[in-house]
Amino acid sequence: GAGVSQSPSNKVTEKGKDVELRCDPISGHTALYWYRQRLGQGLEFLIYFQGNSAPDKSGLPSDRFSAERTGESVSTLTIQRTQQEDSAVYLCASSPYPGTANTEAFFGQGTRLTVV
Amino acid sequence: GEDVEQSLFLSVREGDSSVINCTYTDSSSTYLYWYKQEPGAGLQLLTYIFSNMDMKQDQRLTVLLNKKDKHLSLRIADTQTGDSAIYFCAESFNDYKLSFGAGTTVTVRA
Repeated sequence: GAGVSQSPSNKVTEKGKDVELRCDPISGHTALYWYRQRLGQGLEFLIYFQGNSAPDKSGLPSDRFSAERTGESVSTLTIQRTQQEDSAVYLCASSPYPGTANTEAFFGQGTRLTVV
Repeated sequence: GEDVEQSLFLSVREGDSSVINCTYTDSSSTYLYWYKQEPGAGLQLLTYIFSNMDMKQDQRLTVLLNKKDKHLSLRIADTQTGDSAIYFCAESFNDYKLSFGAGTTVTVRA
């Protein structure tokens, strides 16, 4: 497809389990971001990847959260020992160039995570 | 700190103008944005304004920025049923990190 693809679209998991969320950016896009959207709240920045530079992880809420990206392709966001407060929609976005990221970012439809 | 606030709901009659308001706290914002989120779809960038501008118009959309009051608004002229969505205001301080409001749900009634 031509857009940012995220999988799964929905995930229900038991408290304490680990989950892995996947993002396929638009081909050729060097920048990739993860955001979290809790119910009734705005998006929270989690992490930013740009090419081979060190990622900006300043938004990750705890050490249970980690993310990886291989080159300029797929990214995975891993949440270990999930808690109920992790329930949210996790959004991924990509953009083609550094420095224009905010004005040319394309968002995926998100993964709705429910921790029960 | 980064804090963007907007009203949660707006109901408007088809054909009328919609005005969605947003306030932000950080005067060092470089750009301010409006995003649209339709049911089942990803966030879509609608328009953005550079912080040294007061107004930007793009077809049915008009963005007004009052830097003194840290107030941003989005006016949609001749609102249509397809404009029903959640609209997010956002600000940025660098090339990639955005701070979003909670979103305004706009409902267009016939």
